[in-house]
Amino acid sequence: DADVTQTPRNRITKTGKRIMLECSQTKGHDRMYWYRQDPGLGLRLIYYSFDVKDINKGEISDGYSVSRQAQAKFSLSLESAIPNQTALYFCATSDFGAGEGETQYFGPGTRLLVL
Amino acid sequence: KQEVTQIPAALSVPEGENLVLNCSFTDSAIYNLQWFRQDPGKGLTSLLLIQSSQREQTSGRLNASLDKSSGRSTLYIAASQPGDSATYLCAARRGGGYNKLIFGAGTRLAVHP
Repeated sequence: DADVTQTPRNRITKTGKRIMLECSQTKGHDRMYWYRQDPGLGLRLIYYSFDVKDINKGEISDGYSVSRQAQAKFSLSLESAIPNQTALYFCATSDFGAGEGETQYFGPGTRLLVL
Repeated sequence: KQEVTQIPAALSVPEGENLVLNCSFTDSAIYNLQWFRQDPGKGLTSLLLIQSSQREQTSGRLNASLDKSSGRSTLYIAASQPGDSATYLCAARRGGGYNKLIFGAGTRLAVHP
């Protein structure tokens, strides 16, 4: 089984709809992240969480919200979807205990299309 | 503000060639520099992580170098194979406390038989 899973894998929605993207991990990591990827651009950080009680905005958090329901679960919500939120969304985790070798482990991504 | 640039954006080579992918960053105060591979439908996989005190890292046919003073990193792939076809992204981490990565846009590599 995959260590970091995302649901749904693909989603088509209409402008103004509220949608939620979910991320679960079995790696036991304390840190979790949400990114979006647009064609021709690198991944950009939306939100990150260093534990259940710690939520932080990334560089492009406007129009998004998150919930860390448990150490293993981190959800991303679009309260009122708009077409320029069409993108590929990735969840990632990392282990603070890895020290200087800390890297991030990514889920397979959710492809979102907002009409 | 850290900016990461990757050149070229796309590369097509015949099997067996040795190749170099380039990554440049504007702020030399990095904690580490990482290279990832992205395959369609499978997310990103970490390939190599070079700490700020290191000059290079090697894994199999892959070698990554880091020159902080010039703001550059290169990923060298030896004897390329069709299975190496993917998008390669570099990412700079700024601080030791917060694992916030700044990604380049990636180099899309195609290795043809």
